[in-house]
Amino acid sequence: NAGVTQTPKFQVLKTGQSMTLQCAQDMNHEYMSWYRQDPGMGLRLIHYSVGAGITDQGEVPNGYNVSRSTTEDFPLRLLSAAPSQTSVYFCASSRPGGQGTQYFGPGTRLLVL
Amino acid sequence: GEDVEQSLFLSVREGDSSVINCTYTDSSSTYLYWYKQEPGAGLQLLTYIFSNMDMKQDQRLTVLLNKKDKHLSLRIADTQTGDSAIYFCAERNSSASKIIFGSGTRLSIRP
Repeated sequence: NAGVTQTPKFQVLKTGQSMTLQCAQDMNHEYMSWYRQDPGMGLRLIHYSVGAGITDQGEVPNGYNVSRSTTEDFPLRLLSAAPSQTSVYFCASSRPGGQGTQYFGPGTRLLVL
Repeated sequence: GEDVEQSLFLSVREGDSSVINCTYTDSSSTYLYWYKQEPGAGLQLLTYIFSNMDMKQDQRLTVLLNKKDKHLSLRIADTQTGDSAIYFCAERNSSASKIIFGSGTRLSIRP
């Protein structure tokens, strides 16, 4: 299994540009989440999904959109990038039952100029 | 709402024990976790504890849970240079749909 994969690894955008961060998992996990990591602020939840077709907002959803058309994929869209969105983005997946261990992707470093 | 707090830094001497502390607010948390993040990498689960347990030991790691005070700690015995990382405390909310992370504690090891 590849686990959780994220692309791209690194991206530079100009203010106002749009882009999609890709996330895929091959573990048939129902739950998927997007986090951003900023120095001294830990991981903050952006959006999450409990299954295909179902998404919900986390702590910091503004400026981001998500969709979940399949169990495997959970893309994160930035419609109009802002410098405040410069961060490292992590995607994670988990099963709903048991201890709910989250499996993380390697992260995408985004720089918005 | 849910909140998880940790101190940002901890420095220990190689061979000593490290104790990383965490407090949380959600009294209905079901599972609490410790994740480790090494430089340039994603997070990896170190250990977890179910909310009806007080303690869990796994080799050099000991997790203590004080549910009354909503306090969680991670003790690493015989700390080694390879333990240098950021350690995140996290809780799973009562609906089990999301996990809330603390800000992370950066553990540095001095010789």
